[in-house]
Amino acid sequence: QVQLQESGPGLVKPSGTLSLTCAVSGVSISSNNWWSWVRQPPGKGLEWIGEIQLSGDTNYNPSLKSRVAISIDKPNNQLSLKLNSVTAADTAVYYCAREGIPYNGGDYWGQGTLITVSS
Amino acid sequence: QSALTQPASVSGSPGQSITLSCTGTSSDVGKYKYVSWYQQHPGRAPKLMIHDVSNRPSGVSNRFSGSKSGKTASLTISGLQAEDEADYYCSSYTRSNTYVFGTGTKVTVL
Repeated sequence: QVQLQESGPGLVKPSGTLSLTCAVSGVSISSNNWWSWVRQPPGKGLEWIGEIQLSGDTNYNPSLKSRVAISIDKPNNQLSLKLNSVTAADTAVYYCAREGIPYNGGDYWGQGTLITVSS
Repeated sequence: QSALTQPASVSGSPGQSITLSCTGTSSDVGKYKYVSWYQQHPGRAPKLMIHDVSNRPSGVSNRFSGSKSGKTASLTISGLQAEDEADYYCSSYTRSNTYVFGTGTKVTVL
């Protein structure tokens, strides 16, 4: 059973860096999949953040590319997201997902974690 | 990249069929067969309902079907049930090797 679980600080100060991890179980993060991050501001729609493959290859949303970094931690079977220079507009539920079907986004998703940007 | 365009809301009575649209551009929906649909209930993570335009993952009801014509993809829900009331998002792979989601449609079962 593939499971993903996001974790993070809950609250981040403006201009700071948002750091999240996604613990993966039931499948090796070293498998031949892409892994992605998606966010959803309260009451709004989904926004794709970016993706990473085991090789380290990444693709990012052009609107976030200058502020985002996704990485893979093989020993701990998890992936990470860092978003710097955050503002209130980055307040959202952040999801990680496995892209088990090529070019089709996530087939397994975490439950999401709410990150609020506020002083 | 701009979000794919979906109607804000669609409603139907139990047992009816409804169709949700998702309009993109020649750089995403119009270029690839890589269109997915997600169902999201309040407070829950999105659930994949359709991939590759018209394929259902294992466990998804055959009441859900997908299609595409040009730059517009569609999701049809047949035999509408109360449990189908949720938000639905389309997604497409793009020529920039990224993904773009739709604006989302709220489905109401009357």
